[in-house]
Amino acid sequence: AQSVTQPDIHITVSEGASLELRCNYSYGATPYLFWYVQSPGQGLQLLLKYFSGDTLVQGIKGFEAEFKRSQSSFNLRKPSVHWSDAAEYFCAVGDMGSGNTGKLIFGQGTTLQVKP
Amino acid sequence: KAGVTQTPRYLIKTRGQQVTLSCSPISGHRSVSWYQQTPGQGLQFLFEYFSETQRNKGNFPGRFSGRQFSNSRSEMNVSTLELGDSALYLCASSPGTPPYEQYFGPGTRLTVT
Repeated sequence: AQSVTQPDIHITVSEGASLELRCNYSYGATPYLFWYVQSPGQGLQLLLKYFSGDTLVQGIKGFEAEFKRSQSSFNLRKPSVHWSDAAEYFCAVGDMGSGNTGKLIFGQGTTLQVKP
Repeated sequence: KAGVTQTPRYLIKTRGQQVTLSCSPISGHRSVSWYQQTPGQGLQFLFEYFSETQRNKGNFPGRFSGRQFSNSRSEMNVSTLELGDSALYLCASSPGTPPYEQYFGPGTRLTVT
């Protein structure tokens, strides 16, 4: 069965510092991969997605992610963090084993705290 | 385009009651998925509807059900509420075809007392 692991439950970075959030997935082929962000009391906002092609994908709010097949990873990065980036971040994979439908499998999330 | 809307935003119910949540997807999207989010279990898939048919279902008891209307709006129902059903219920809208990217609504916060 597919799974998604976000090894870091909580990360604190200083404003202006760079950020990398880790995501590892378990699947035999290339899955559909997504990063979402959730602010307190809100729904999930799609940051970026990877389906195929260029392994470095750009998203909204200055985020990017790199797909590495050899490491089964899809890490999220941002060169300079802003205080407004404080939120919870979720990595998700499309469940290709469920008959090509819209089921997403989520990691447990990483809470980002930004220090002034 | 307008985003995904969910109503109501907040609900308080008593154990044993039933509840119906509503979701209106993005215009033109044919797929609606529902997720339950709790601090302990995280985000868990409930079910997906595509063109009024349930296309996929997660591992939830039969008390959880849903449906989709011809205009793609969807409802989910939880009968005989339990305390453990307290959660944020998120609806996600998708075109319904690969790569199935989903756009989420703000959620309905259900509290069962």
